[in-house]
Amino acid sequence: DGGITQSPKYLFRKEGQNVTLSCEQNLNHDAMYWYRQDPGQGLRLIYYSQIVNDFQKGDIAEGYSVSREKKESFPLTVTSAQKNPTAFYLCASSITGGAGRETQYFGPGTRLLVL
Amino acid sequence: AQSVAQPEDQVNVAEGNPLTVKCTYSVSGNPYLFWYVQYPNRGLQFLLKYITGDNLVKGSYGFEAEFNKSQTSFHLKKPSALVSDSALYFCAVRLYGNKLVFGAGTILRVKS
Repeated sequence: DGGITQSPKYLFRKEGQNVTLSCEQNLNHDAMYWYRQDPGQGLRLIYYSQIVNDFQKGDIAEGYSVSREKKESFPLTVTSAQKNPTAFYLCASSITGGAGRETQYFGPGTRLLVL
Repeated sequence: AQSVAQPEDQVNVAEGNPLTVKCTYSVSGNPYLFWYVQYPNRGLQFLLKYITGDNLVKGSYGFEAEFNKSQTSFHLKKPSALVSDSALYFCAVRLYGNKLVFGAGTILRVKS
């Protein structure tokens, strides 16, 4: 899991509540990513950011929001609009620059459960 | 649509036997292909990648993968399986903007 930390390890959300998942990296990577993992579906991209103060929607961005105010940090907020938030959330980071060097490295994950 | 398929939900192999976990891809242009492993309740660990060059790529923990352009495959292999190799394995292909598309994953069970 290297230099990427995610907290908390487990998170419980009440109906109608927004919750924020933390992701921090000390790898000096420019790019960061959020994925959602559901059983039997692999990983799906929620949001990604290739540079500070800029981010793009992935395939399943509805009900989620992010910010990228610092290079090291890429927090994910699961809003009340996300009706099925129970999943394992994975953060990743990589360098940018092309030529196949942009291997993504993953954090240990946060499991979100709905009360 | 650009995609990755892992046709087997689960692969069972005896310890000491060779193992293969299959992956096929559908992508325009030259693909960048990756294999990751995930242990229970953990993040993904990078095993290896194919960018260009030799079709046989060697990675971590004795794993290797063979890129076959004509068959659009990138199968993960290991000559002698260990019980500790039991985990969930993901194949992925890189799209534009460094986005990755993942297969659904294959559970590998190695029995002693």
